[in-house]
Amino acid sequence: RKEVEQDPGPFNVPEGATVAFNCTYSNSASQSFFWYRQDCRKEPKLLMSVYSSGNEDGRFTAQLNRASQYISLLIRDSKLSDSATYLCVVNKGNSGYSTLTFGKGTMLLVSP
Amino acid sequence: DGGITQSPKYLFRKEGQNVTLSCEQNLNHDAMYWYRQDPGQGLRLIYYSQIVNDFQKGDIAEGYSVSREKKESFPLTVTSAQKNPTAFYLCASSTPTGRVGNQPQHFGDGTRLSIL
Repeated sequence: RKEVEQDPGPFNVPEGATVAFNCTYSNSASQSFFWYRQDCRKEPKLLMSVYSSGNEDGRFTAQLNRASQYISLLIRDSKLSDSATYLCVVNKGNSGYSTLTFGKGTMLLVSP
Repeated sequence: DGGITQSPKYLFRKEGQNVTLSCEQNLNHDAMYWYRQDPGQGLRLIYYSQIVNDFQKGDIAEGYSVSREKKESFPLTVTSAQKNPTAFYLCASSTPTGRVGNQPQHFGDGTRLSIL
């Protein structure tokens, strides 16, 4: 299994749709999980951290399943401005000094 | 405003030339990182530094060098030994807590390096 694996997409959805991204990771010792958003030719920006109990930020919901080593991101009521590549990010170990591994990202295209 | 500043935004390298990419942060973060991103690819870690005067190789350090003489600054030199330097280079910083888990990394807006 790759360190961090995501469906590359693109996911083409109409405005208002609900879309879900999935991510799997290989290191069972990983403790930190994030979703980043990257617009075309721009730097990645933190969208949200992912907590064990799951967490929500407005239209965005993140879930973590440690047993399956699986992370998800749900976007409800998609907006045109949500079009971007979504990166799943996992730390490499169980220390705050470990580095992060970035998935290749899933591209989302929201159309009118 | 606190943030990470990378310069230049665009850089061209002649064959056999070393070039240095600048990264400065005023977030008071201990840790700094350099990544490379190729089209359609994920970020790959080149070098990182958890503290001043110390740094470690990442996954693709060959052909690159760094220094960390000040907390705020982490310049990356792309040497002539790096045969395929064309890429988008991203600098990031974070505050490692030392506890289980990481703080998220915050990125500069990148430098695009091309070969002339």
